[in-house]
Formats: sequence, C-alpha cells, structure tokens
Amino acid sequence: AQTVTQSQPEMSVQEAETVTLSCTYDTSESDYYLFWYKQPPSRQMILVIRQEAYKQQNATENRFSVNFQKAAKSFSLKISDSQLGDAAMYFCAYKEDSGGGADGLTFGKGTHLIIQP
Amino acid sequence: NAGVMQNPRHLVRRRGQEARLRCSPMKGHSHVYWYRQLPEEGLKFMVYLQKENIIDESGMPKERFSAEFPKEGPSILRIQQVVRGDSAAYFCASSQSRVQGSGYTFGSGTRLTVV
Repeated sequence: AQTVTQSQPEMSVQEAETVTLSCTYDTSESDYYLFWYKQPPSRQMILVIRQEAYKQQNATENRFSVNFQKAAKSFSLKISDSQLGDAAMYFCAYKEDSGGGADGLTFGKGTHLIIQP
Repeated sequence: NAGVMQNPRHLVRRRGQEARLRCSPMKGHSHVYWYRQLPEEGLKFMVYLQKENIIDESGMPKERFSAEFPKEGPSILRIQQVVRGDSAAYFCASSQSRVQGSGYTFGSGTRLTVV
C-alpha cells in the first residue's frame, strides 16, 4: 500500500520569507500524481499545486513551487514571499494513475504552517 | 457555480443514532468521493460513486456505513448506530470525470460529533 509521510508537524516562517514543507512517499508504481492541498481554519480543502510523475519539470504556481525527486520519492513544497493568508494546514497527497488502480487520494498527516507577522 | 455543497456543517448525534450526511456536487459533476478526517490526521478515502453506482468502496468500514448517489438529489453518506469513534470531519469531493491527475473540488465538510 502507498504511504505518504510529512515529517514536520509544524513549521513557522516570517512574513515575506521562504519556507519549504517536506513530503516523502512510498510506492512501487511508476505512473502517479502528487498534490499539495491547503486547509485553512474554514476547513475547505484547496488544491495548491500538482505534479505528474512522468514530468521531470517541477510544477510552479505563482509563489508555490515543488521540488520533485522521483528516485528519492520526495515531493517538497516551497512557498516564496510568505503571506499571512498562507497560514493553514498543508497536506501532501498521492494518487495512482488509474486503470485498475485505486481511485482515492492517499494523504499525509499534514504540516501546520504558521506565518509570523 | 456554488461549488460542492455539504450539509449540515455540524452534526451532533447520540451513540446509537443514525447520521446522514449530504453532498451536492458541483453543477455538471457526476463523480463523488467521500473522505473522513480524524483529529490530527489527513483525509482517508472512503468511497467513490457515480450516479446510481458505487465504483470503489475499498475505504468504507464493513459495517454501519453506506453511501448512495441517486439519479436525482445529493449523495448521502449514512452511518447507522454511531459510536464515539465515528466523530470526525467528513468531506465530499466531486469531479466531471474519473479523476486522474487533475485533482477534484472538495466541499467544506461535515463535522460529526457523537456524544
């Protein structure tokens, strides 16, 4: 079974600084997708960024970027120019490329990101 | 476009009662996914449904839990004879097609408290 590990229960960063959240996963599959979701206090799950395993290029969405290391099974999220609105729980998630594979996402336990003004 | 709507937002049930959680997918979405989030945990996949069909229920507990997505109306997650361990946030997500790499849209969840 696939597992997703987020080793940092909590991270703190000064406003306008850069922070990196780590995520590792375990799978025997070669084709899969990886996601970072943000969960603010409102509880809404918001997709931040996604990565296809077959793409070598790291995904980028404005201030959010990933460092995808397929051989190391690592998928870290970098947030540049941190803003107060970035404060939330961040979840890393994995999904097999379907075609008989599981339909659900596998989530890590999350990292609580605190932004210091 | 109202997004994925879940109700109620909060639900309190006594042990032994039934809990019914509703999910209305985004307009045009016919695929629904249910997840459960225990305190201090990530979301755990429960079940995937298309209209009138259960496609994947590999994450559903074998007893007391059931889900449906009728031709008309919202998807329902039903928990019979609730116990304290069922207390959690339950999230619904929807998509236009069977999700590959596009991710999907989540609702804001229903927080179930069993007293």
